[in-house]
Amino acid sequence: QQQVKQSPQSLIVQKGGIPIINCAYENTAFDYFPWYQQFPGKGPALLIAIRPDVSEKKEGRFTISFNKSAKQFSLHIMDSQPGDSATYFCAASKETSGSRLTFGEGTQLTVNP
Amino acid sequence: NAGVTQTPKFQVLKTGQSMTLQCAQDMNHEYMSWYRQDPGMGLRLIHYSVGAGITDQGEVPNGYNVSRSTTEDFPLRLLSAAPSQTSVYFCASSYSVRAGRLHNSPLHFGNGTRLTVT
Repeated sequence: QQQVKQSPQSLIVQKGGIPIINCAYENTAFDYFPWYQQFPGKGPALLIAIRPDVSEKKEGRFTISFNKSAKQFSLHIMDSQPGDSATYFCAASKETSGSRLTFGEGTQLTVNP
Repeated sequence: NAGVTQTPKFQVLKTGQSMTLQCAQDMNHEYMSWYRQDPGMGLRLIHYSVGAGITDQGEVPNGYNVSRSTTEDFPLRLLSAAPSQTSVYFCASSYSVRAGRLHNSPLHFGNGTRLTVT
């Protein structure tokens, strides 16, 4: 049972475009929603994260939008660059599970020059 | 400060062989965990540890054993390798594990071990 579902599986955009990656979760106890970025041959690294008490968080060109009632959250990348080409994972955790994260399936993003 | 170090980077095993994937961190993190990454399935938790001497099962623990004798090391053992265990394995650590206390501290991942079982 996949508790965090991510779409699309892959995404190709042109430089300057705004790719959007979506995630939906089932467990209403989740209260922390990070996004991880993974480059080929490397481990994932934290990109940006949000708590459900806010609807949006921006860090540079990366924005998380959060819809608590719909149990959905999404990652937007403004002015995308070829260097943003990577695999992106959404994840979720709840306070009672400590550091245990449940990950989505991943989205392979390609930004063409 | 090396972060999370995984060895080996690549490994090929025959069905039935055993091996240990090594993971070490130098950040004095309490929490350590093992994930496997398979295409279209994301990262799935195998085992985790909230401190030395304490381990617990994750989502997909069958076929794997772990131990945590020190804060720094968290090896993953495959007792009898099967083709279904062909995957990329990641070790990850973070500062805090206790519920309600910084449970959203970031996970720091190693660079993975690519394992093929023939």
